[in-house]
Amino acid sequence: EIVLTQSPGTLSLSPGESTTLSCRASQTIRSKYLGWYQQKPGQAPRLLISGASNRATGIPDRFSGSGSGTDFTLTISRLEPEDFAVYYCHQYDSAPQTFGQGTRVEIK
Amino acid sequence: QVQLQESGPGLVKPSETLSLSCSVSGGSIVGYYWTWIRRPAGKGLEWVGRISSSGSTRYNPSLESRLTMSVDTSNHQFSLKLTSVSAADTAVYFCARSAVDTADFDLWGQGTLVTVSS
Repeated sequence: EIVLTQSPGTLSLSPGESTTLSCRASQTIRSKYLGWYQQKPGQAPRLLISGASNRATGIPDRFSGSGSGTDFTLTISRLEPEDFAVYYCHQYDSAPQTFGQGTRVEIK
Repeated sequence: QVQLQESGPGLVKPSETLSLSCSVSGGSIVGYYWTWIRRPAGKGLEWVGRISSSGSTRYNPSLESRLTMSVDTSNHQFSLKLTSVSAADTAVYFCARSAVDTADFDLWGQGTLVTVSS
């Protein structure tokens, strides 16, 4: 099973700041099989990025994904109040599919 | 607008069977993969398993011996049964949809909390 390790565990930031979240895989993942999700309290996760770098429908361009191999990142430019949430990376290149443990982005 | 809604008991006794259903409304159940994902309290997301509209299944190996998924296309729903549950199975359970050529989950239910306790 591929283990996805996200760092840091928690980020304390202010609105307007920018940040980069890391997702490191225990084995090489083909980029097309790496996604990112956002989850807010009491809500279902929402797909942000598919194929490592493709924004899902309706996702603002302040969200961007990049990376390849074992190292992937999600960048959020100019944090908006609604961006404070937990972010998960997800791989389905190798069964079973796995998620990272999440990075919490909280208001400083 | 397609929506997913989970249903099932919120409390299950240890060693008993957890049964959940997910209803698909506003769209077709055919031509997609239907997945269960869970999130234990204080932990991250765990992929449980998925079923196609034709009934083909894939399960997480860690749960495979206890897990059965089924689909009822005529009633637009799919289901999960997890036997011999323990406190470790306490989680919010989500159902989700993905296309057959990708496992990106573009549609999710709101989730239902299942607590395993006597």
